[in-house]
Amino acid sequence: DAGVIQSPRHEVTEMGQEVTLRCKPISGHDYLFWYRQTMMRGLELLIYFNNNVPIDDSGMPEDRFSAKMPNASFSTLKIQPSEPRDSAVYFCASRSRGSYNSPLHFGNGTRLTVT
Amino acid sequence: GQNIDQPTEMTATEGAIVQINCTYQTSGFNGLFWYQQHAGEAPTFLSYNVLDGLEEKGRFSSFLSRSKGYSYLLLKELQMKDSASYLCAVSFAGNTPLVFGKGTRLSVIA
Repeated sequence: DAGVIQSPRHEVTEMGQEVTLRCKPISGHDYLFWYRQTMMRGLELLIYFNNNVPIDDSGMPEDRFSAKMPNASFSTLKIQPSEPRDSAVYFCASRSRGSYNSPLHFGNGTRLTVT
Repeated sequence: GQNIDQPTEMTATEGAIVQINCTYQTSGFNGLFWYQQHAGEAPTFLSYNVLDGLEEKGRFSSFLSRSKGYSYLLLKELQMKDSASYLCAVSFAGNTPLVFGKGTRLSVIA
């Protein structure tokens, strides 16, 4: 089991540029989550999918953020245009349907720096 | 709201025992998770509690009191490698995503 795979690991970009983060969940997992982590706010849920369908995107900060899951093995989080305050570590996580006590499995995250 | 509170930082000595507390709002509670996160790495699952009482896993134990909205993570025989952030996360009503506390950064010193 390869685990949740995210790319890139690090991204440095200038304000105004488009950023695309990628995630491959664990095969067979029905749920996929995008979280953002900062020192000030901790881990915040941005959006999550069930069977590739977005269920709750109320955590997406603003219209500059969008996420897609075109199939069960791939999801993207896009920021356009990016701003310095978007600098954070972005984690993708997945879990199986099972019961609600199925633990989340996190990817290694993408550290985004917007200058 | 679904506030989850835990101390920001703790320091403990190698070989000692440390208890990391977590409090949460009880309405809609479904279960509580503890995750460990080393600096620059992803959170990894440590434990899950849904019933009152203590769950023991080697050097780590987790306790839950549903009525009090309280949990703690107990780490025994501390090792330097236990220096990490420990995240408390709660599952609320229905099959909704976990809500995480901000984490407790534990430093183990010699």
